[in-house]
Amino acid sequence: DAGVIQSPRHEVTEMGQEVTLRCKPISGHNSLFWYRQTMMRGLELLIYFNNNVPIDDSGMPEDRFSAKMPNASFSTLKIQPSEPRDSAVYFCASSLRGSNQPQHFGDGTRLSIL
Amino acid sequence: AQSVTQLGSHVSVSEGALVLLRCNYSSSVPPYLFWYVQYPNQGLQLLLKYTSAATLVKGINGFEAEFKKSETSFHLTKPSAHMSDAAEYFCAVSDPVRGSQGNLIFGKGTKLSVKP
Repeated sequence: DAGVIQSPRHEVTEMGQEVTLRCKPISGHNSLFWYRQTMMRGLELLIYFNNNVPIDDSGMPEDRFSAKMPNASFSTLKIQPSEPRDSAVYFCASSLRGSNQPQHFGDGTRLSIL
Repeated sequence: AQSVTQLGSHVSVSEGALVLLRCNYSSSVPPYLFWYVQYPNQGLQLLLKYTSAATLVKGINGFEAEFKKSETSFHLTKPSAHMSDAAEYFCAVSDPVRGSQGNLIFGKGTKLSVKP
């Protein structure tokens, strides 16, 4: 079975540019999560969706960050404009709904903002 | 507030030695608990989960964890470490408020090193 698919795996861009990260969740999963991982802050939940609807975006650091889920099989996380402090690994995860359900993670996008 | 505490950000063991990674949780309701492993340049991978069926849970790669309600602990163990076990390990608890959405609260992780 295909897991969570993220693209690109690596992104290097200059400060001020728009960055778009993409995620395809596991088919049939109805919850989707975006995380950011850095050495300093560890794993942070940015936003999550249930049935394509954003439920909690309180982890989104600033208005420069936005996320969408136009359908059950696709989500994007956009940073505009990007800044060097946004450099991190961004993970997408999906799960079935329910508190006993594990999350399944993609391999992440390693983002470097110069 | 619900939380997960992993004691020790770094643990080092010799190959063949016992692995013990500690996790304590706080939860106002019976929790669901998870252990994940992260290898370099990869995402988190589920090792095992506790969902109240049995207190001793066996996972992949020879790992197991025991749920102890009286100690609010869910420590991860493996009898004999292998070089390939070197990775970062995360304990997580289902968020009792938002858990129905699948939301988890993660610990800060423990990096395991295995010496030859």
